[in-house]
Amino acid sequence: KQEVTQIPAALSVPEGENLVLNCSFTDSAIYNLQWFRQDPGKGLTSLLLIQSSQREQTSGRLNASLDKSSGRSTLYIAASQPGDSATYLCAVLYYGGATNKLIFGTGTLLAVQP
Amino acid sequence: DGGITQSPKYLFRKEGQNVTLSCEQNLNHDAMYWYRQDPGQGLRLIYYSQIVNDFQKGDIAEGYSVSREKKESFPLTVTSAQKNPTAFYLCASSIELAGTQYFGPGTRLLVL
Repeated sequence: KQEVTQIPAALSVPEGENLVLNCSFTDSAIYNLQWFRQDPGKGLTSLLLIQSSQREQTSGRLNASLDKSSGRSTLYIAASQPGDSATYLCAVLYYGGATNKLIFGTGTLLAVQP
Repeated sequence: DGGITQSPKYLFRKEGQNVTLSCEQNLNHDAMYWYRQDPGQGLRLIYYSQIVNDFQKGDIAEGYSVSREKKESFPLTVTSAQKNPTAFYLCASSIELAGTQYFGPGTRLLVL
């Protein structure tokens, strides 16, 4: 069964700290992996997309890595700010053949304390 | 101003009633999707459409129906057969099935 797991489920850090969010997936035959941000009661905002052939992607203070062989991805947030507080979702795309869908993890709720 | 819009923001359904959630995009995307989000669970795919006049069931299609008569629009109907409809519904679109998905602001459906 294709599953995506995110650990931890919740995280609270003081402002300025660097942090890492983890995502693991059971089926390594992925097409790409995306990290999203969701604010309470809102839709999802795409942060980074990593193709299966890539090892990492960077955008500003965010860096996402992908290790397909071990079924893991990490989202690194540098110098965290209170505005980073949100739920972060990892999603894996399986594409081609019988399966064409994005499978989501349950998310990590991040709180950055001022 | 390009993007995806969903309406209404909140929707109330009475017992036995069908309700329709609207999703419109002006991004010229071919693919569109409907997801359901429940507390403590990841987003689950209800239906998706790769192109106009075509759509496929996702993991939890029972009790839902869709249509794709126009490229810009992908409405979702929650029928009376859906016994537990209370959830947050999210619509998304992408250039193609394998592309980055862009999400609308969501509709929260509540049962009276």
